[in-house]
Amino acid sequence: DAKTTQPTSMDCAEGRAANLPCNHSTISGNEYVYWYRQIHSQGPQYIIHGLKNNETNEMASLIITEDRKSSTLILPHATLRDTAVYYCIVRASNTGKLIFGQGTTLQVKP
Amino acid sequence: DAGVIQSPRHEVTEMGQEVTLRCKPISGHNSLFWYRQTMMRGLELLIYFNNNVPIDDSGMPEDRFSAKMPNASFSTLKIQPSEPRDSAVYFCASSFLGGGAEKLFFGSGTQLSVL
Repeated sequence: DAKTTQPTSMDCAEGRAANLPCNHSTISGNEYVYWYRQIHSQGPQYIIHGLKNNETNEMASLIITEDRKSSTLILPHATLRDTAVYYCIVRASNTGKLIFGQGTTLQVKP
Repeated sequence: DAGVIQSPRHEVTEMGQEVTLRCKPISGHNSLFWYRQTMMRGLELLIYFNNNVPIDDSGMPEDRFSAKMPNASFSTLKIQPSEPRDSAVYFCASSFLGGGAEKLFFGSGTQLSVL
């Protein structure tokens, strides 16, 4: 699975958009980009995933660059409850394994 | 659906004792994963099953750890004998693997403390 690089931590003001970057320059053509988050003391929670096109759901938007070497997770209106560790993971669809890195700790401030 | 159910929620034991962690995956899911999380090492994949068969156990730390999945609705992770360095939060997750991208659903975890 391709390795990802994320900033260790980020701050965001409540009500503003949170933009979390991820680099995955060695991604292969059959690998998806997944985002999960982990709120303190809970199990990780799926947010969104994509292959080539940008994706949006009720939680967030995922923007993938045309060359697929990087992506950005966007939380359009961050709330205090969005404070968590956000993990960007790339994985081929048929491997089953999901390998977590260190992620980005997002702190949403009032 | 109740989601992935893990038990116990907390476990405190003494070094040398056997510990058994339990997991009930989401009904209909065909893959099950055991993860361990510590401050030092983050989230580590220990083992995963597909259709009740262990597919990759390369993350299992040593022979003291074993995992079983006797049927599609139950799995155990056993540590015998336990050591203080096994103290961690152990998560179980399940998914339906096949036909494209899929997402994992995690349980609430078991907080294990080995004294």
